[in-house]
Amino acid sequence: RKEVEQDPGPFNVPEGATVAFNCTYSNSASQSFFWYRQDCRKEPKLLMSVYSSGNEDGRFTAQLNRASQYISLLIRDSKLSDSATYLCVVLDLNDYKLSFGAGTTVTVRA
Amino acid sequence: DGGITQSPKYLFRKEGQNVTLSCEQNLNHDAMYWYRQDPGQGLRLIYYSQIVNDFQKGDIAEGYSVSREKKESFPLTVTSAQKNPTAFYLCASTPGQGYSPLHFGNGTRLTVT
Repeated sequence: RKEVEQDPGPFNVPEGATVAFNCTYSNSASQSFFWYRQDCRKEPKLLMSVYSSGNEDGRFTAQLNRASQYISLLIRDSKLSDSATYLCVVLDLNDYKLSFGAGTTVTVRA
Repeated sequence: DGGITQSPKYLFRKEGQNVTLSCEQNLNHDAMYWYRQDPGQGLRLIYYSQIVNDFQKGDIAEGYSVSREKKESFPLTVTSAQKNPTAFYLCASTPGQGYSPLHFGNGTRLTVT
């Protein structure tokens, strides 16, 4: 079983739509969680950290469910510029090992 | 500006040759990482280092070697033993303490023919 699993998508949505997807992790000792965005042939860039109580950054909302070991990302009012691959990243602070999901591809169409 | 620099951006080598990818950071970060990304796949950890003169194998270390002689530098050597070296290689760093996100370099795209 992979340490971090994501629905690869693609999620094809019209502009203005809401899209949400999850990421599950297998290591219950995982302590930090992040969502990264990666555009085609570029390096990943931090979108947002995920806090225990859930957090929002503009149109993006991240949630953490420790009991079920998943995190989620919701994008409201999708823009064309939101088209990208979204990577889930889990950090184990015991050994500073980071584990990546394979990414969820989102395509927003006009 | 502080950051993490990978060079070169594109690298071409013949099969059977070793090649070293550079990664330098001036963020004063303790932890550094090397990842490999293949088309349609997520990032896979090759090696990581929490501190100078110490490093650990990641999930796909075979055919690779690293060194961490200086805090700011974490070069990766792709040896001839690596069966499928063509990939996008990403270096990253974190302060190594607390909840800190990754800082990535802009990657090196290695093509071996």
